[in-house]
Amino acid sequence: SAVISQKPSRDICQRGTSLTIQCQVDSQVTMMFWYRQQPGQSLTLIATANQGSEATYESGFVIDKFPISRPNLTFSTLTVSNMSPEDSSIYLCSVAPGQRALYTEAFFGQGTRLTVV
Amino acid sequence: ELKVEQNPLFLSMQEGKNYTIYCNYSTTSDRLYWYRQDPGKSLESLFVLLSNGAVKQEGRLMASLDTKARLSTLHITAAVHDLSATYFCAVDTNDYKLSFGAGTTVTVRA
Repeated sequence: SAVISQKPSRDICQRGTSLTIQCQVDSQVTMMFWYRQQPGQSLTLIATANQGSEATYESGFVIDKFPISRPNLTFSTLTVSNMSPEDSSIYLCSVAPGQRALYTEAFFGQGTRLTVV
Repeated sequence: ELKVEQNPLFLSMQEGKNYTIYCNYSTTSDRLYWYRQDPGKSLESLFVLLSNGAVKQEGRLMASLDTKARLSTLHITAAVHDLSATYFCAVDTNDYKLSFGAGTTVTVRA
């Protein structure tokens, strides 16, 4: 398994500002993902954070709104830019630490609860 | 586009009785997950199902997978209050990207 630390665990932000969420893993991982969970909703994949290249975004999510960095194999950041109340959600980092053929699974961080006022 | 349908969305359980949550998905997959989420918390992995006919059990929870029917079930035996939570199924489309069902909010009453 992998130990994932997300910071901050929660924050209250003013609309129009930006927040950067950090995801730190205790081992090198190939794949890192960012998900959003809006209040009372399920989880939706935002993007895949690729080491050494730009992130790959899912439909409905764009780089200008959710820029992602992946400087190495243990760390990634997600920025929520120009926030509005609709961005109030839990943001979760997920990692897949090993080779699929070796039977590994995706693990989730504890999440960042963001409230935009 | 992969669709994951979970039902029921809300489940009020009586203590001591048995219940089932269903998860249907629309395309082939080699991996299906069940997670539990308590209010304000992250996801707790319950089961990973890898193959057709897979069955896993932990305590009062048992999950199974029928890849031909594209159906997974989460069976709860003799419900207790501690099982109150939201349960999600998630389908892995062969690259660790997960598509989640809508979630089933379970409330166990005496």
